[in-house]
Amino acid sequence: KQEVTQIPAALSVPEGENLVLNCSFTDSAIYNLQWFRQDPGKGLTSLLLIQSSQREQTSGRLNASLDKSSGRSTLYIAASQPGDSATYLCAVSWGSGTYKYIFGTGTRLKVLA
Amino acid sequence: GAGVSQTPSNKVTEKGKYVELRCDPISGHTALYWYRQSLGQGPEFLIYFQGTGAADDSGLPNDRFFAVRPEGSVSTLKIQRTERGDSAVYLCASSSLFDRAVNTEAFFGQGTRLTVV
Repeated sequence: KQEVTQIPAALSVPEGENLVLNCSFTDSAIYNLQWFRQDPGKGLTSLLLIQSSQREQTSGRLNASLDKSSGRSTLYIAASQPGDSATYLCAVSWGSGTYKYIFGTGTRLKVLA
Repeated sequence: GAGVSQTPSNKVTEKGKYVELRCDPISGHTALYWYRQSLGQGPEFLIYFQGTGAADDSGLPNDRFFAVRPEGSVSTLKIQRTERGDSAVYLCASSSLFDRAVNTEAFFGQGTRLTVV
């Protein structure tokens, strides 16, 4: 069965820290993996998309890596800010050329000022 | 439009009633997805359209749920005989044609929060 797991479920860090969010998935034959941010009561904001042929993607203070063989992806956030506080969701697609995602349950991040 | 638009943003209905939820995808996006998110959980896939046809409806929980996209743009998710367990946030996403040469991605709307009382 294809599953996506995110650890930890919640994380609280002081402002300025670098942090890593983890996502693991069963079945390494993925098509792509996308990281999203969700603020309370809001929809999903796309952060980074990694296709199966890629090893990492970067956007500003964010870096996402993908290791298919071990079934893992990490989202690295540099110099965290209170505005980064949100739930971060990892989504994996195994469907051929689609965004039929299986989502993890998310990591709820709180950055303390 | 500039983004995926979903209406209404909130819907409260009585148990047993019929509801329709609307999604306006990004202009030109051929693929459209519906997801459902319960409190504290990640979104769960419901149905995927490529153009006007439902390419994959394997996530629809039962035959009370139905979705259409008659002209390949706007989509409507229809729920008959609503139950309290249908209460959730219903999210819509759209994307252009999947292309490995380009980092296309899925864009989500703000969701419709459905509450069945």
